[in-house]
Amino acid sequence: GQQVMQIPQYQHVQEGEDFTTYCNSSTTLSNIQWYKQRPGGHPVFLIQLVKSGEVKKQKRLTFQFGEAKKNSSLHITATQTTDVGTYFCAGNRGSTLGRLYFGRGTQLTVWP
Amino acid sequence: NAGVTQTPKFQVLKTGQSMTLQCAQDMNHEYMSWYRQDPGMGLRLIHYSVGAGITDQGEVPNGYNVSRSTTEDFPLRLLSAAPSQTSVYFCASSYDKYSGNTIYFGEGSWLTVV
Repeated sequence: GQQVMQIPQYQHVQEGEDFTTYCNSSTTLSNIQWYKQRPGGHPVFLIQLVKSGEVKKQKRLTFQFGEAKKNSSLHITATQTTDVGTYFCAGNRGSTLGRLYFGRGTQLTVWP
Repeated sequence: NAGVTQTPKFQVLKTGQSMTLQCAQDMNHEYMSWYRQDPGMGLRLIHYSVGAGITDQGEVPNGYNVSRSTTEDFPLRLLSAAPSQTSVYFCASSYDKYSGNTIYFGEGSWLTVV
């Protein structure tokens, strides 16, 4: 079954609005990674979070890892049309030798 | 440094045919994997390898074989193609075999089985 749940599946926003996608795991993760995939492209690594409660920022993107290391979020402030794509979280459980469990992704559409 | 290279980029197969998707990486990564991506399903792991000579099944291994004779190459074989295998396939590699460190993806192979 699905190891990592990600919501929402789709999000449509107007340029300038904020956007958030959430990931939840039924088990504790050793780390979580976020990827972005542009339409027709391949997933590209954005960031990895390792520590409980960790927060990292990349310009308008803010990534959080929950205290229990079971959930994570990606927040984009003031979206731009260049943010269009599908955002995936991927969790790693240390016992599985580097096997990542991907969420199903959130497809973001930004209207100009 | 080409990263992860997949071939072919596009392929049409008839039901029952076999084929191999090639994947090569030049980053000396230990960990390599194959994913398939279907609409609304995200990325599902088919097979993975933590080093040369070592492979293991992922979430959806049926109908696929892999081998890892060298560190650089990780081909994916479709034994007898079925329409359900129509998908986009991504090969990926990463450095750390224990913590699943940053994964680098190939550009994908679009496969249609008719």
